[in-house]
Amino acid sequence: AQSVAQPEDQVNVAEGNPLTVKCTYSVSGNPYLFWYVQYPNRGLQFLLKYITGDNLVKGSYGFEAEFNKSQTSFHLKKPSALVSDSALYFCAVRGQGGGYNKLIFGAGTRLAVHP
Amino acid sequence: GAVVSQHPSRVICKSGTSVKIECRSLDFQATTMFWYRQFPKQSLMLMATSNEGSKATYEQGVEKDKFLINHASLTLSTLTVTSAHPEDSSFYICSARDSGGVWETQYFGPGTRLLVL
Repeated sequence: AQSVAQPEDQVNVAEGNPLTVKCTYSVSGNPYLFWYVQYPNRGLQFLLKYITGDNLVKGSYGFEAEFNKSQTSFHLKKPSALVSDSALYFCAVRGQGGGYNKLIFGAGTRLAVHP
Repeated sequence: GAVVSQHPSRVICKSGTSVKIECRSLDFQATTMFWYRQFPKQSLMLMATSNEGSKATYEQGVEKDKFLINHASLTLSTLTVTSAHPEDSSFYICSARDSGGVWETQYFGPGTRLLVL
């Protein structure tokens, strides 16, 4: 069965420092991977996705993610964090087989960027 | 960019009443929409997949008679919580897949917070 793991409930980083939010996945075959961000009492906003091609994917608001097949990871990164980046981040993978139309989400990681 | 709206954004109702939540794709057509439920500090749980012109597909454990879904047009899906009870209180989020675009991307609405007293 497909699954996504976000091992950290919360990540704390100082403003201006680089940030990493971790995600690992478990699927058979080639994964379709996504990152979404959720601000308080709001829906999810799409950040970026990996379907195929370059392992380094660039997305919105200066975020990027690196697909690593050998480590089955898709960590979200940003070179310099902003206080406004503080939010809840979800990694997701597209379902397979009969569930190809669905997104399977990780538990989420809360990012706190301190001034 | 693709925009999905939800109405209402917040609703409070009495136990036993029914509540309807609308999900609209504003600038694209969506043959497929999804309904999620999110509990505090938890991830999204897919409730059902809504297909335009056909019956919704419900996830295991979701009562289809309690959570009625209608997807009558390419831009509108509705979720009706029938005979709501306090345990139905939650944050409900819809998403839509752009029929004419890259299908892998789902666009999410801002969510509806339901409180059942």
